[in-house]
Amino acid sequence: ELKVEQNPLFLSMQEGKNYTIYCNYSTTSDRLYWYRQDPGKSLESLFVLLSNGAVKQEGRLMASLDTKARLSTLHITAAVHDLSATYFCAVDGTSGSRLTFGEGTQLTVNP
Amino acid sequence: NAGVTQTPKFRVLKTGQSMTLLCAQDMNHEYMYWYRQDPGMGLRLIHYSVGEGTTAKGEVPDGYNVSRLKKQNFLLGLESAAPSQTSVYFCASSFRRMTADTQYFGPGTRLTVL
Repeated sequence: ELKVEQNPLFLSMQEGKNYTIYCNYSTTSDRLYWYRQDPGKSLESLFVLLSNGAVKQEGRLMASLDTKARLSTLHITAAVHDLSATYFCAVDGTSGSRLTFGEGTQLTVNP
Repeated sequence: NAGVTQTPKFRVLKTGQSMTLLCAQDMNHEYMYWYRQDPGMGLRLIHYSVGEGTTAKGEVPDGYNVSRLKKQNFLLGLESAAPSQTSVYFCASSFRRMTADTQYFGPGTRLTVL
């Protein structure tokens, strides 16, 4: 059974600081997704990582995938308040486009 | 292009009542999914469909049924609602696995079972 673990689950940081969210998963996969969810809203796709060593960047967010370590990271550079949200990683297992989600990391960026 | 829509947005049921949640997508996606989201547990897959007329069980299928009679619609049914089914339900759709397309999510349905 595929398990996906994120840490930290809660992250409070100051504007301008850098931080990394980690996503570990338990079985082989080369497809990993990052989503953002604002309070009371739906999920918005941020990144799709499809192979070992994949790196994607959008603004202050950068995601990477190490399939050998079964680890993905979401790095936040010079955080701003608008990045406050819950971030989910999700892994595509081997049984037909089914995603298994991590618990989510609730990020709060304080002025 | 509305993307993925869900009906209703909110609903309150009494224990034992039944209801159907409707998901519609206008992106011609093959795959559709139903998830529930509970605090601290991320999203858990209830049922999914890889094409019109097909459905399959996900991680937490008990107490739910689904149907995909038309490609653009995916219905989630609760035959006899229980308080444990109080949750936020999200529908999602995606193209085909080979393209590794991301899943596009609807706005959610907040269901309370008393």
